[in-house]
Amino acid sequence: GENVEQHPSTLSVQEGDSAVIKCTYSDSASNYFPWYKQELGKRPQLIIDIRSNVGEKKDQRIAVTLNKTAKHFSLHITETQPEDSAVYFCAASYYSGGYQKVTFGTGTKLQVIP
Amino acid sequence: DSGVTQTPKHLITATGQRVTLRCSPRSGDLSVYWYQQSLDQGLQFLIQYYNGEERAKGNILERFSAQQFPDLHSELNLSSLELGDSALYFCASSASPGGMNTEAFFGQGTRLTVV
Repeated sequence: GENVEQHPSTLSVQEGDSAVIKCTYSDSASNYFPWYKQELGKRPQLIIDIRSNVGEKKDQRIAVTLNKTAKHFSLHITETQPEDSAVYFCAASYYSGGYQKVTFGTGTKLQVIP
Repeated sequence: DSGVTQTPKHLITATGQRVTLRCSPRSGDLSVYWYQQSLDQGLQFLIQYYNGEERAKGNILERFSAQQFPDLHSELNLSSLELGDSALYFCASSASPGGMNTEAFFGQGTRLTVV
């Protein structure tokens, strides 16, 4: 089955700096890569996603890059703000046998220091 | 609001007891996933159902079981509860229309405390 590794497990940055979280996956069948943000005590929510036919996607201060050959994808947050502090999860997904399979990474706790 | 409803929001019970957590997926979503999240931990995948059938199993204990009903709601049954079962249990659903992978929508979770 699919295996997703996520690094780092914790990340502290100064407000205004950039943050980068990296994930690798093992199954080349994976073709959909969402990122979720989980604020303290709340549910994980999608913040950005990328499909395998795209190398990069941006949404304001957030961007995701995908390298299919190396089987890794990254989340980039620029100009970090205190409200970016949360746990971020990457995931890899593919559709097979009539249903979708999703594997999550272990999460990165991001702390933005004011 | 994600459209995924979990009940109850909080549950406090004693060791050795049995509880049932309920999840109603978004309208039309056929896949339901269950996750366990202990304090400051990641999302531990427990089990996935698709249109009433079990499709994938993760690190789910034998004391735990689940099912998805014809109306697509799902229940997670936890029995012989131990202190270590205290956690936040999330349900998520996805649609996958036409074989396309889509995001998973999470419920607000059920916080289980075993005392």
